Amino acid sequence: DVKVTQSSRYLVKRTGEKVFLECVQDMDHENMFWYRQDPGLGLRLIYFSYDVKMKEKGDIPEGYSVSREKKERFSLILESASTNQTSMYLCASSLLQMNTEAFFGQGTRLTVV
Amino acid sequence: GQSLEQPSEVTAVEGAIVQINCTYQTSGFYGLSWYQQHDGGAPTFLSYNALDGLEETGRFSSFLSRSDSYGYLLLQELQMKDSASYFCAVKTSGSARQLTFGSGTQLTVLP
Repeated sequence: DVKVTQSSRYLVKRTGEKVFLECVQDMDHENMFWYRQDPGLGLRLIYFSYDVKMKEKGDIPEGYSVSREKKERFSLILESASTNQTSMYLCASSLLQMNTEAFFGQGTRLTVV
Repeated sequence: GQSLEQPSEVTAVEGAIVQINCTYQTSGFYGLSWYQQHDGGAPTFLSYNALDGLEETGRFSSFLSRSDSYGYLLLQELQMKDSASYFCAVKTSGSARQLTFGSGTQLTVLP
């Protein structure tokens, strides 16, 4: 079974803190993605990566950065957490080929207080 | 950038057929996917269309018209367990292979 594992299911952080969300996949996928999901807005792409040390901005990259030092691990970093970053964060991975599905982790519910 | 539009809510009764539409605007379009997400769960893949036409997988079918930038998901013989959110998503070509989702359609199946 493909597994995408996010390090925390629930996280509470204070405004201004630096926050790390970790994602690991075990299927040797080239592509990895970070989304945030908010009611009525669907899944919005923050950043994605198609190779180690490669990253591309998605639709809402402001306030976030990412790191991909190893193929299986993709980290999302909130440089200085703000209350408007309270959300569900979903990590996904897929093979590079176009006709393959993306597999999602269970999500991290982040609350910034 | 990319944009996708789908209805926010659809309601149907058990045993019925429902169609969820998706229109998109994107550059470098490669294919249209559909995902299902139950409350509290992760999105899971349902189908993918790269070419025009209908793809059938059991009770679910997905259609794509590239010339109209339009697709739909057709759910037949609805069951209560089909109550979930359904997302269309576009894949774009090139070195930056982005997967962009629509805002989702909440399907409620009534007994």
